[in-house]
Amino acid sequence: SQQGEEDPQALSIQEGENATMNCSYKTSINNLQWYRQNSGRGLVHLILIRSNEREKHSGRLRVTLDTSKKSSSLLITASRAADTASYFCATDTVDSSYKLIFGSGTRLLVRP
Amino acid sequence: DGGITQSPKYLFRKEGQNVTLSCEQNLNHDAMYWYRQDPGQGLRLIYYSQIVNDFQKGDIAEGYSVSREKKESFPLTVTSAQKNPTAFYLCASSIAGRQATRPYGYTFGSGTRLTVV
Repeated sequence: SQQGEEDPQALSIQEGENATMNCSYKTSINNLQWYRQNSGRGLVHLILIRSNEREKHSGRLRVTLDTSKKSSSLLITASRAADTASYFCATDTVDSSYKLIFGSGTRLLVRP
Repeated sequence: DGGITQSPKYLFRKEGQNVTLSCEQNLNHDAMYWYRQDPGQGLRLIYYSQIVNDFQKGDIAEGYSVSREKKESFPLTVTSAQKNPTAFYLCASSIAGRQATRPYGYTFGSGTRLTVV
């Protein structure tokens, strides 16, 4: 079952620009997480936001959460070519705690 | 360095053959997970384990089996009953579980790419 859906599916920007990715989900959550995956590699945990939080920052990353709209966004500021990767949101839902359900991802290309 | 080790990196399976993917972690994490990723897709949960000697089916468990005899190890067997096993398999671990006092992110291995020949 697919809980999270990312939008857009693919994004191409110039180095230095900001990148915004969105995630929508269907059922109530305990927390929402964002991960990055470089081609052919495992996923790397970026940031976790709890259901009672609205915004969180980590370096060049800013995550927002709107539980009323069941959506989250990931903003990467001042993008670099090394940010080129796929980005996934994952939800820890109230009715299936302790296991994450991943979305289909956004493929980000940052052009030098 | 602590982390998760998946082996082999590439695996080729003949029709009707069972193969086992290894996943070992030295992070002292209670929970371990197996996900399957198809090209251009998200991750789908195969099996997960919150504690030694206990595991639960995920969304796509048919044709797969696991064991959790040690905290550090969570091998996945792809059986001949799995008709379309070609995919990228990812193992993950987490502190999160029944004993967790706050949520944690997952740590992933680098994956095993399985191809049917």
